[in-house]
Amino acid sequence: SQTIHQWPATLVQPVGSPLSLECTVEGTSNPNLYWYRQAAGRGLQLLFYSVGIGQISSEVPQNLSASRPQDRQFILSSKKLLLSDSGFYLCAWSWDISYEQYFGPGTRLTVT
Amino acid sequence: AQSVTQPDIHITVSEGASLELRCNYSYGATPYLFWYVQSPGQGLQLLLKYFSGDTLVQGIKGFEAEFKRSQSSFNLRKPSVHWSDAAEYFCAVGASNTGKLIFGQGTTLQVKP
Repeated sequence: SQTIHQWPATLVQPVGSPLSLECTVEGTSNPNLYWYRQAAGRGLQLLFYSVGIGQISSEVPQNLSASRPQDRQFILSSKKLLLSDSGFYLCAWSWDISYEQYFGPGTRLTVT
Repeated sequence: AQSVTQPDIHITVSEGASLELRCNYSYGATPYLFWYVQSPGQGLQLLLKYFSGDTLVQGIKGFEAEFKRSQSSFNLRKPSVHWSDAAEYFCAVGASNTGKLIFGQGTTLQVKP
């Protein structure tokens, strides 16, 4: 069966500090991978998605970036965090030919 | 452009009562439709999906949803709500040819004892 992991689970970072969130998927090959952000009391905003190694599409201009160094690894980064980067970050995966997405447990990021 | 509207931000029902959460979508072709549930501080869990065929789909935890093309709706229902159903519910539509999902803003369900 397939599983998706995210770490860390929670993170408190000062403004201006760097960020690295990691997502890994087990039990499948060549998944589509997605990063979402969920601000308090709001829906899900798609940040990035990837259909393969090194292939990243950005949905919203921002100070965040994403990378996919391996088939089942997806990393969300920032060089300098802003207060507005606080939120709940969710990683998801889907099979190449399906819209059905499966979500990880999320990372709660608080920028202070 | 595809969009999803969940008209109800908050809904409160008594335990044992029936539940219907509304979802309306905007999409030019036959949509792929989903309902997800999110408990506080957790990721999203897929409840059910509609791709084609029978317009009444059954999901996990006793939920069902009905696709009505004429009304552009995909409402979620449960005949008898349990206290553990209290959570946030998201409706989503698959964006054509991209594999991306467009989510509604969510409906928070509160269950009264």
